[in-house]
Amino acid sequence: KNQVEQSPQSLIILEGKNCTLQCNYTVSPFSNLRWYKQDTGRGPVSLTIMTFSENTKSNGRYTATLDADTKQSSLHITASQLSDSASYICVVSFSGGYNKLIFGAGTRLAVHP
Amino acid sequence: NAGVTQTPKFQVLKTGQSMTLQCAQDMNHNSMYWYRQDPGMGLRLIYYSASEGTTDKGEVPNGYNVSRLNKREFSLRLESAAPSQTSVYFCASSEGHGANVLTFGAGSRLTVL
Repeated sequence: KNQVEQSPQSLIILEGKNCTLQCNYTVSPFSNLRWYKQDTGRGPVSLTIMTFSENTKSNGRYTATLDADTKQSSLHITASQLSDSASYICVVSFSGGYNKLIFGAGTRLAVHP
Repeated sequence: NAGVTQTPKFQVLKTGQSMTLQCAQDMNHNSMYWYRQDPGMGLRLIYYSASEGTTDKGEVPNGYNVSRLNKREFSLRLESAAPSQTSVYFCASSEGHGANVLTFGAGSRLTVL
């Protein structure tokens, strides 16, 4: 069964600290992996998209890694800011089709001053 | 540039009532989607429209109908609402499929009593 599991479910960190969010997937055949940020009461916004051949991709203070062999991805946030408080959703695409996206349940991050 | 606009933002219905969620995008995207988001679960695809004039079922289509009115607009209709349809609904659009990034609306929170 195609699944995407994220950990931890929730996380609290202090402003300025770094953190890493995890995503494990059992999706096959793999097409690409995306990370989205969802602020409370808003729709998800794309942070990165990675294909099979990409190991690392950065977007400002956000760095995503992908290990296609172990089917794991991580999202590292550097020097966290209060505005980073949100849910982070890992999404894996298989077969590249319109309806072939599997969404993780997300990690809820709270950054405290 | 508004992106993806959904209406209404909030709605309360009684069991058996009907309603339509409206979605419009101004990015000239070909593909549009309707998802639902429930607590502790990843987003699940209800219906999608790969291009103007076509619609297809997603993972959880039962109890819903859709209309791709034109390239810009994609509506979701609940003919006879049930408490199990209490959820947050997101409309999204993309240029095509595969690696294309989804752009989401802000969501519509529906409560069915």
